[in-house]
Amino acid sequence: GAVVSQHPSRVICKSGTSVKIECRSLDFQATTMFWYRQFPKQSLMLMATSNEGSKATYEQGVEKDKFLINHASLTLSTLTVTSAHPEDSSFYICSAKGQDFYSNQPQHFGDGTRLSIL
Amino acid sequence: GENVEQHPSTLSVQEGDSAVIKCTYSDSASNYFPWYKQELGKGPQLIIDIRSNVGEKKDQRIAVTLNKTAKHFSLHITETQPEDSAVYFCASGGAYKLSFGAGTTVTVRA
Repeated sequence: GAVVSQHPSRVICKSGTSVKIECRSLDFQATTMFWYRQFPKQSLMLMATSNEGSKATYEQGVEKDKFLINHASLTLSTLTVTSAHPEDSSFYICSAKGQDFYSNQPQHFGDGTRLSIL
Repeated sequence: GENVEQHPSTLSVQEGDSAVIKCTYSDSASNYFPWYKQELGKGPQLIIDIRSNVGEKKDQRIAVTLNKTAKHFSLHITETQPEDSAVYFCASGGAYKLSFGAGTTVTVRA
């Protein structure tokens, strides 16, 4: 159980292109989804938190107009990197958690998207 | 915000030996402490978690201990196997989000 699917796994595109990454919870309803960025040999850096049906909450220093997040349903969130440039090249990972009013639910992660901007 | 420190950054053990990774956190309000294993090119996989109302939890060869007074928690892997080689992350948080440690690269020597 608790499977999170992330697509695509790898994207290579030209500078100026916008790239959309999908994150789906396959066997549970994800009331909250998270988007992280990970640089080589480093930890996960939280970019934003999204709750179904509401606007995403971005971490300090993350440009919301650059990284558009949509969480339109309980099983799908998307991250769009707009007008991507080489400095946006990174490993992007989503996670999802279900809702439990009495205890924290774990975050379950997708397998990430390797984004390379030429 | 929450600050999580993780040690060591790298750990090499002989197959069959134990591995211990330690983390400290700063926010006394944190009440949830998961551990993740990340293999190369993959996303982190939850391997065990502990909540603040217990001091220890075990799942086969993996155990986690929590000391809320000292604000530290540890991961113990016994009888290590080559497939345990990976990067391990501790995390600390509450109802909304997690803060992650810097990671420990574990190498199990055959």
